[in-house]
Amino acid sequence: EAQVTQNPRYLITVTGKKLTVTCSQNMNHEYMSWYRQDPGLGLRQIYYSMNVEVTDKGDVPEGYKVSRKEKRNFPLILESPSPNQTSLYFCASSLTVGTGYPRSPLHFGNGTRLTVT
Amino acid sequence: GDSVTQMEGPVTLSEEAFLTINCTYTATGYPSLFWYVQYPGEGLQLLLKATKADDKGSNKGFEATYRKETTSFHLEKGSVQVSDSAVYFCALSIQGAQKLVFGQGTRLTINP
Repeated sequence: EAQVTQNPRYLITVTGKKLTVTCSQNMNHEYMSWYRQDPGLGLRQIYYSMNVEVTDKGDVPEGYKVSRKEKRNFPLILESPSPNQTSLYFCASSLTVGTGYPRSPLHFGNGTRLTVT
Repeated sequence: GDSVTQMEGPVTLSEEAFLTINCTYTATGYPSLFWYVQYPGEGLQLLLKATKADDKGSNKGFEATYRKETTSFHLEKGSVQVSDSAVYFCALSIQGAQKLVFGQGTRLTINP
């Protein structure tokens, strides 16, 4: 089954304790991205990657890191989480990118609900 | 900058009622427009899209028409069902921009 898999689904942590949220897709998609969803704000892009070893900042990258060492994986790293990073996080992928994005629909994972105390 | 504004929710309707969720946008260039739906506990799924002015996207009984003159992409359905209860997001993409810009989402609840 074609899917984007995020882990964990729920995570409660304390301020300053490094964490990683994993994201994996099995559709051989070039493009991957992370969004956070907050009430009243919709989804905002954190980082994106157009292919292996190619990543770039989205609208709200502060406090986050990503890597794209393999095509299928795109982990989100919070080196020193803070309470304002409490949110619902979504990983998404798309088959192709080009001059007009997205060339094909975004496929979303089921989300990771993070609470930082 | 580019933005999407949706009607505020939550919206509560009875089964078989007519649904409209308003969406307007501000964008430089010529965006593609999308509606995504999020069912409880799940990620977003593409519901429908339109890539140029006057295009109509449709899926599962939902429709939306890309209106350039009013910069709108309102979502409609003639007869809603309880299973349509979800959060609906309007979004746009701009050529050359590597992201979707989302509205704030509208929570829809359909009562039997």
